[in-house]
Amino acid sequence: NAGVTQTPKFRVLKTGQSMTLLCAQDMNHEYMYWYRQDPGMGLRLIHYSVGEGTTAKGEVPDGYNVSRLKKQNFLLGLESAAPSQTSVYFCASSYPLTGEWVTQYFGPGTRLLVL
Amino acid sequence: KNEVEQSPQNLTAQEGEFITINCSYSVGISALHWLQQHPGGGIVSLFMLSSGKKKHGRLIATINIQEKHSSLHITASHPRDSAVYICAGDSGGSNYKLTFGKGTLLTVNP
Repeated sequence: NAGVTQTPKFRVLKTGQSMTLLCAQDMNHEYMYWYRQDPGMGLRLIHYSVGEGTTAKGEVPDGYNVSRLKKQNFLLGLESAAPSQTSVYFCASSYPLTGEWVTQYFGPGTRLLVL
Repeated sequence: KNEVEQSPQNLTAQEGEFITINCSYSVGISALHWLQQHPGGGIVSLFMLSSGKKKHGRLIATINIQEKHSSLHITASHPRDSAVYICAGDSGGSNYKLTFGKGTLLTVNP
């Protein structure tokens, strides 16, 4: 199993350009998450999904959109990139267990630089 | 709002030393996750605990629910343990969202 994979690994954008980050998981997990990681700050949740066709806003959703058309894929879109979106983006997935806490499995990350 | 505070932010040790990283969390968090991130690398889950203590190899994680405090210990530290260690609070809700600490950068010198 590949686990959680992210595409691309690194990207440079100019201000105003758009792009889509792809997250794929082969563990049949219901829940998927997009985080951003910035120096001096903890991981912050951008958007998450509790199942195919559903998405919800996290802590820092502005400037991002997401889609979960297939259970195994979770896409993060930047419609008009801004320098403030320069960050490392991590995708994660987990399988919900009623009444228990579960482990999140993380992808390798995507480094995005917006000039 | 759930909060998680880690200390120290940076930690330098000599190979072989016993290491402790601390995490305090707010009311509403009922379990703690400890994660490891190597420089330039991905994030790996080490432990999830809601009570007591867990051990895996040289790593030990403890949690005190009354004091809302958790610790990660590394015995006989090695340079390959150099990484950022992150604690994350889990409120156990139906969406399984985590609240992350800022991380502790551990450097183990040979």
